[in-house]
Amino acid sequence: ELKVEQNPLFLSMQEGKNYTIYCNYSTTSDRLYWYRQDPGKSLESLFVLLSNGAVKQEGRLMASLDTKARLSTLHITAAVHDLSATYFCAVDGKDSSYKLIFGSGTRLLVRP
Amino acid sequence: DTEVTQTPKHLVMGMTNKKSLKCEQHMGHRAMYWYKQKAKKPPELMFVYSYEKLSINESVPSRFSPECPNSSLLNLHLHALQPEDSALYLCASSPTFRTGASVGEQFFGPGTRLTVL
Repeated sequence: ELKVEQNPLFLSMQEGKNYTIYCNYSTTSDRLYWYRQDPGKSLESLFVLLSNGAVKQEGRLMASLDTKARLSTLHITAAVHDLSATYFCAVDGKDSSYKLIFGSGTRLLVRP
Repeated sequence: DTEVTQTPKHLVMGMTNKKSLKCEQHMGHRAMYWYKQKAKKPPELMFVYSYEKLSINESVPSRFSPECPNSSLLNLHLHALQPEDSALYLCASSPTFRTGASVGEQFFGPGTRLTVL
């Protein structure tokens, strides 16, 4: 059974600092997704990582994928309050077509 | 049009009521999904429709009944729900790949906040 683990589950950080959220998954998969969710809102797609070594950046967020290590990272640079949200990674369940396996989510709070 | 819309935004219903949630997309996606999300948890997949046919039912109780009238619309009919069914219900859609490759990026609607009294 494919499992996706995120850590940390909760992250409180000061504005201006850097930090990394980790997403480990248990079996082979060639697609990984990062989503953002604000409280009471829907999920917003941030990144789609399609191959080993893929790196994507948008503003202060950068995501990478290492399929050999079964690891994706979401790096936050010089955090600002607007980045406060819950971040989910999800893996494409190759043996389960159309099924995304979500991590538990990382709740990020950026303090002034 | 690059969005998924859902109605209503909020719904309060009694345990004996019958109601429906609606979802619509005009991105030409042929896979559509219903998810249930409880507070501080990831979304839980309920149903998947692929080319208007039900392809996945994640052992959802029969008081939830999905329907896909056409490639743009997805409904979720609700009947005799329980208070524990109160949650955010999310609809999503994605492109599909006929050759058995994995699913594409899923695009989520704003959700319906359901409260069962």
